[in-house]
Amino acid sequence: DTAVSQTPKYLVTQMGNDKSIKCEQNLGHDTMYWYKQDSKKFLKIMFSYNNKELIINETVPNRFSPKSPDKAHLNLHINSLELGDSAVYFCASSQDTGTRADTQYFGPGTRLTVL
Amino acid sequence: GDSVTQMEGPVTLSEEAFLTINCTYTATGYPSLFWYVQYPGEGLQLLLKATKADDKGSNKGFEATYRKETTSFHLEKGSVQVSDSAVYFCALQNSNSGYALNFGKGTSLLVTP
Repeated sequence: DTAVSQTPKYLVTQMGNDKSIKCEQNLGHDTMYWYKQDSKKFLKIMFSYNNKELIINETVPNRFSPKSPDKAHLNLHINSLELGDSAVYFCASSQDTGTRADTQYFGPGTRLTVL
Repeated sequence: GDSVTQMEGPVTLSEEAFLTINCTYTATGYPSLFWYVQYPGEGLQLLLKATKADDKGSNKGFEATYRKETTSFHLEKGSVQVSDSAVYFCALQNSNSGYALNFGKGTSLLVTP
């Protein structure tokens, strides 16, 4: 009964390919996030969705496109992968945006390696 | 914009030593503050949080107090264990960023027997 799950856990691919990472939460939360963790372990927000609507869209290349088919899922699609996209991508969820100190629950991460 | 600064690691301690990991922040308004922990190969887990000045968060022997006057949220533990070896992230959450977490760079802790 994993709270926030991601697939795949590891993803190795060639430059120029298109790939997707899936995220699902079974906590009934309204808000989901994607974070990127670089090789130095620095974590940065990429996107946030609340009830399937985009709330935050930080400065990421438009090759990255989040898709939320329903409030329990937030997938990340990446076009034309580049070497610099290699990182660990974390999905997270919280109860509701607009409320202070919402605890965010993180998935186990997807390690993307672009060759 | 908002930012979080935490001490660079790695920090290496012997078991039962006292731990302090410094964290300071810059933010407008009244952010909430968090410590998350990442064990090797895993995702992030909330360790503790504080939502207003002078609040103390605590969990598993770890403590941190929200100090508005010094804009700090230092993490402390009186006696660390080998199992505490992990990367610790200080983070803030603020309304001006849609409540996404704004993380420090993380501090790696290694506790040796």
